[in-house]
Parts: sequence; structure tokens; C-alpha cells
Amino acid sequence: EVQLLESGGGLVQPGGSLRLSCAASGFTYRNYAMSWVRQAPGKGLEWVSTINGGGSTTYYADSVKGRFTISKDNSKMTLFLEMNSLRAEDTAIYYCANTGEGSYYRWFDPWGQGTLVTVSS
Amino acid sequence: DIVMTQSPDSLPVSLGERATINCKSSQSLLSISNNKNCLAWYQHTPGQPPKLLIHWASTRASGVPDRFSGSGSGTDFTLTISSLQAEDVAVYYCQQYCNTPPHTFGQGTKLEIK
Repeated sequence: EVQLLESGGGLVQPGGSLRLSCAASGFTYRNYAMSWVRQAPGKGLEWVSTINGGGSTTYYADSVKGRFTISKDNSKMTLFLEMNSLRAEDTAIYYCANTGEGSYYRWFDPWGQGTLVTVSS
Repeated sequence: DIVMTQSPDSLPVSLGERATINCKSSQSLLSISNNKNCLAWYQHTPGQPPKLLIHWASTRASGVPDRFSGSGSGTDFTLTISSLQAEDVAVYYCQQYCNTPPHTFGQGTKLEIK
């Protein structure tokens, strides 16, 4: 069974940093493109970032560009999201999702359970 | 970037009745390479991750009940629930996944029991 499990969320002050992880199991992870999606309180789903299967190509939403960095360690089957210069508006549940294979992108499935990031003083 | 717009924002429907959610994209989602529309639908209930319902605009994901169906092509798409069940109460999102990211979502439609 394909499973994704996020971790690393928590409470952080504005301007602070946090690193999210997404551990994968049950599929040939090294081939798969992965994404982060977030949902702020009372808001809809927002695509945040995508990385291709090899980890060489990355994409970011304008709202996080220059502050967030997506990466993946294929040997450890883990996806990361390094978040710097955090703002209150980054407060959200962050989900990781399988997004395709190699550089062939498709629908998001499966998704992890999500991890909550709260940016507040 | 492709903008996805759903209607309505909120939809009250009686149990057993049909529910229809619309999604409009700012550009055609028809892929020239395979003549399919790169459009997905998700169901999101509180405390759970989003669940894939439909991909390629009309292909049901594994395990999705056949009361859920997707239709449309180009820029206009529809998700239909033929007979609403209590467990279908959720927020529904469309998403385009054409070419390279950003793969944008619609703003969501909250489906509730009338």
C-alpha cells in the first residue's frame, strides 16, 4: 500500500524557519514527482511546490518563491520542504502528494495526512 | 497561469437528489498529445486529506462509487453526484494538471444537505 506521512509541523514565530518531511513507502519513490499543497484556516487548497522524480527540477507558487525550498532524498524515500522567512499567512495544514513520474506530471494521488504549521508570536 | 473557477461556492442538496458542480478554466485543458482533458476532481472532508475522485475529466479513480461522474471538455467541466448520500458532504475541488506546474485548484464548492 502506498503511504505518505508528513512531519515537522509546529508553532514558529514570524520570520522563523521550519523543515517539513514526507516519508514515502509502498512504491518506487525515486521515479515519482512529488508536491506540497496547503490549506490555510477557512481557505481552499493552494498548490505550493512540485519537484520532478530525479529531484533536478522544481516549481514554486509565487507566494512562496524565494522563501521555500523543495527537495527529495530518493535513498531515504523522503520529500522535504524547507520554509524560511515565515509569515502569518503561511499558517496552514501542509500536505504532500504523489504528482506523477519523472517529469510527467499528473493528478495528485495519494496524499499524506498533513502537518499543521502555525506562524504566530 | 491557468485560473480555475468553480460554481457555485455553496450547494445545498437534498438526500437522494442530484448535485452538480461546475468548473471553468481560463485556458483549454485539452491535451493535444492524447486528446484528453487534464482535469481532476477531489473530495475533501474535515480532518482528512483530499481524495482523488476523477482524473482525465471523466475517469473515476479506483474505489470511487459510480454515483460520481465527471464530464466536459476544453474549458468547461462538471462533477455530478447522481444521488446524494450523507457521506458525500464535503468540499469539492477541481484542479488542472496540464504540462508543467503551477497546477492550480479551483476555490472549492461546499456541498451540504438541504
